[in-house]
Amino acid sequence: NAGVTQTPKFQVLKTGQSMTLQCAQDMNHEYMSWYRQDPGMGLRLIHYSVGAGITDQGEVPNGYNVSRSTTEDFPLRLLSAAPSQTSVYFCATTSYNEQFFGPGTRLTVL
Amino acid sequence: ELKVEQNPLFLSMQEGKNYTIYCNYSTTSDRLYWYRQDPGKSLESLFVLLSNGAVKQEGRLMASLDTKARLSTLHITAAVHDLSATYFCAVDPTGGVATNKLIFGTGTLLAVQP
Repeated sequence: NAGVTQTPKFQVLKTGQSMTLQCAQDMNHEYMSWYRQDPGMGLRLIHYSVGAGITDQGEVPNGYNVSRSTTEDFPLRLLSAAPSQTSVYFCATTSYNEQFFGPGTRLTVL
Repeated sequence: ELKVEQNPLFLSMQEGKNYTIYCNYSTTSDRLYWYRQDPGKSLESLFVLLSNGAVKQEGRLMASLDTKARLSTLHITAAVHDLSATYFCAVDPTGGVATNKLIFGTGTLLAVQP
């Protein structure tokens, strides 16, 4: 039982490049979320999903897309990376009042 | 817009001392979380507080929730170096069933000095 996994752990992009951050969970949870963490700040919600086929925007959705075709996977897509998207990204699932966070992806956009 | 404020933002304390971290939030919520984060690591769940007056304790940490005052506290008793970390509170602004739309405070960086 791996819990919540994220790949890659680290990534460097150039401005304008696109990429997908992967998140997978094996706990069969319906709720999944993406957060970003910037220095000196708490986590901010980017997008979330309450089940396969259902997604919605959080606090800071601009520049990011998500889809949820299966219960297990919730990828986050950066369509055209910008330096302002340099951050640490955490995926999380929720079940019965508890949140489970993945290990994070550290992204740098040059 | 829901805001969650923590104070202090930075806390340097000596081993053996007691201190409290405060978490204020700006709208009604019955669900508050405390997390610990070590440098370069993910978030570790400490406490989930689900009702007014809830109090939970684990080791040297005790958390409480006052929903009427919109205030949660994390009390540290007889601090030890191993407690050095960043502590976050987070609020679920929705009622009813827990969701995954947490609003986080900015965190409190705790440094326990020998």
